[in-house]
Amino acid sequence: DVKVTQSSRYLVKRTGEKVFLECVQDMDHENMFWYRQDPGLGLRLIYFSYDVKMKEKGDIPEGYSVSREKKERFSLILESASTNQTSMYLCASSFPSGNTGELFFGEGSRLTVL
Amino acid sequence: KQEVTQIPAALSVPEGENLVLNCSFTDSAIYNLQWFRQDPGKGLTSLLLIQSSQREQTSGRLNASLDKSSGRSTLYIAASQPGDSATYLCAVVDSGGGADGLTFGKGTHLIIQP
Repeated sequence: DVKVTQSSRYLVKRTGEKVFLECVQDMDHENMFWYRQDPGLGLRLIYFSYDVKMKEKGDIPEGYSVSREKKERFSLILESASTNQTSMYLCASSFPSGNTGELFFGEGSRLTVL
Repeated sequence: KQEVTQIPAALSVPEGENLVLNCSFTDSAIYNLQWFRQDPGKGLTSLLLIQSSQREQTSGRLNASLDKSSGRSTLYIAASQPGDSATYLCAVVDSGGGADGLTFGKGTHLIIQP
């Protein structure tokens, strides 16, 4: 059974803290994505990666960075958390579109920044 | 830039009815289209993936169709049940197939009344 695992379902952090959100997939997918989801705004792409050590900015990369040192792991980093980063964060992975391209999501990480 | 629209934003129907959810997209040059289900506070679960060369896909009580020329997809749910209550999202991958060529609709919030 395919699986995308996000390390934390719920996090509460204080303004200015450094936050790490971890995502691991066991499907040998090349592509990995980080989205945030907010009411009324839908899913917005933060960063994606199509290979180890490769990263590309999405629509809203400001305030975030990512790391992909191994194929199965894609980390989202908030260098200095702010209250406007309170959100649901969703990790996803897929093969490239030339190989089905079906997208699989993790369970999400609900981050609250106080 | 691709735009994906899902109408209605919310739908409430009695249990047992057959229903159709709509997804429209502005650029018909797509690689594939995927339907997801999202329960409150959870990640997205893949329901059906339709490649651009296909017209429909079926899984149990679900049937998804694709009409690229008109820029439309429908998700048909037969004999609806209260457990079908969730938000349903569609997403399209543009024909370039790149990792950033993925666009989501904002979803249809479905309530099945017992």
